[in-house]
Amino acid sequence: EAGVTQFPSHSVIEKGQTVTLRCDPISGHDNLYWYRRVMGKEIKFLLHFVKESKQDESGMPNNRFLAERTGGTYSTLKVQPAELEDSGVYFCASSQGDGWYGYTFGSGTRLTVV
Amino acid sequence: GQSLEQPSEVTAVEGAIVQINCTYQTSGFYGLSWYQQHDGGAPTFLSYNALDGLEETGRFSSFLSRSDSYGYLLLQELQMKDSASYFCAVREDSNYQLIWGAGTKLIIKP
Repeated sequence: EAGVTQFPSHSVIEKGQTVTLRCDPISGHDNLYWYRRVMGKEIKFLLHFVKESKQDESGMPNNRFLAERTGGTYSTLKVQPAELEDSGVYFCASSQGDGWYGYTFGSGTRLTVV
Repeated sequence: GQSLEQPSEVTAVEGAIVQINCTYQTSGFYGLSWYQQHDGGAPTFLSYNALDGLEETGRFSSFLSRSDSYGYLLLQELQMKDSASYFCAVREDSNYQLIWGAGTKLIIKP
């Protein structure tokens, strides 16, 4: 089966601009997660979708971040306007069940805000 | 607060055995997972422990002691391809989110 696909793989934008990251989960996986790793620090949870519904968005840092999963398939994460501290690697993962037996991650989008 | 502690870097020799430790401090505990990540790649699930004891999967084993809030990943017969970062992660409640350690970079020398 195809894995979790994220694009772009890299994005460099200026402070104040908008960026949209996309994640295509494994087909049939109802659960989709966004995580972020800021340089040298821990991977941090952002949010969790079950199909098209936001199950848990407690990790979203502020209202500059907007995640959507229309139709319960692919998901987008928009950052508007981007700030310098938003730089990092954004990972998407999906799971069929509760994910405890392992999430499947994408390779991430490396976002650099300059 | 929530925290997971693991060494930042470990060096070992090809063919040897290495242990990567993880201690955690979380408000709850459902289980401990381990993930492997090669540079620029996706984190890949290795193992999980919900109960105390040792779980073995091929060359990799993972151990958990809930009373000590401690676990480790044991890699045997090290191969050069095992050079990667290894992350421990805890699920602390019924929510699906994981709390992650900062990762351990494993360097393998010939």
